[in-house]
Amino acid sequence: GDSVTQMEGPVTLSEEAFLTINCTYTATGYPSLFWYVQYPGEGLQLLLKATKADDKGSNKGFEATYRKETTSFHLEKGSVQVSDSAVYFCALSDNGGMGRRALTFGSGTRLQVQP
Amino acid sequence: KAGVTQTPRYLIKTRGQQVTLSCSPISGHRSVSWYQQTPGQGLQFLFEYFSETQRNKGNFPGRFSGRQFSNSRSEMNVSTLELGDSALYLCASTVQGRDEQYFGPGTRLTVT
Repeated sequence: GDSVTQMEGPVTLSEEAFLTINCTYTATGYPSLFWYVQYPGEGLQLLLKATKADDKGSNKGFEATYRKETTSFHLEKGSVQVSDSAVYFCALSDNGGMGRRALTFGSGTRLQVQP
Repeated sequence: KAGVTQTPRYLIKTRGQQVTLSCSPISGHRSVSWYQQTPGQGLQFLFEYFSETQRNKGNFPGRFSGRQFSNSRSEMNVSTLELGDSALYLCASTVQGRDEQYFGPGTRLTVT
């Protein structure tokens, strides 16, 4: 079945450092790919998405490019802030036919940004 | 536009009891999905409803069930609660034809 693998956390960075969180996936079809962020005590917020190969999703300074050849969707940000501290989840959408939707998530990567 | 709302936010139940959780999707969203989040298993898909019909189901026992009403609001029910059912239960809604799902704040269920 489909699966998503994320780098283990926590990732600890100083403010203004460059961020990369690796994500690779296994899927039989052509899934859409997502990054979600979860702040303490909250649900998941959609951060960005990409629906086909070579698409780049971007939002709030975060970017990720859908790489079909390496089955990857790495999250990057050029300069992190303390407010970016959260858990980040990579996910893919399994279009199981007939419009069905189910997200498969990675295990999450905790990011801690120190001032 | 209001986001996905879930009630209650917190619940404490005793093993063997049953529980019902409620989810109201974003206005205009007709697809509602449920997920379970635990430290050990992470985020796992429970089921998806569209137009009052279960369209997709994850690998959970029959104690987990759900339904959707004509106004797209959804409920999930867990019967004969076990300690392992303690989790954050997240509801998400989607516009028909789109992939991205929008999540509510979750219901934190504790089974003692």
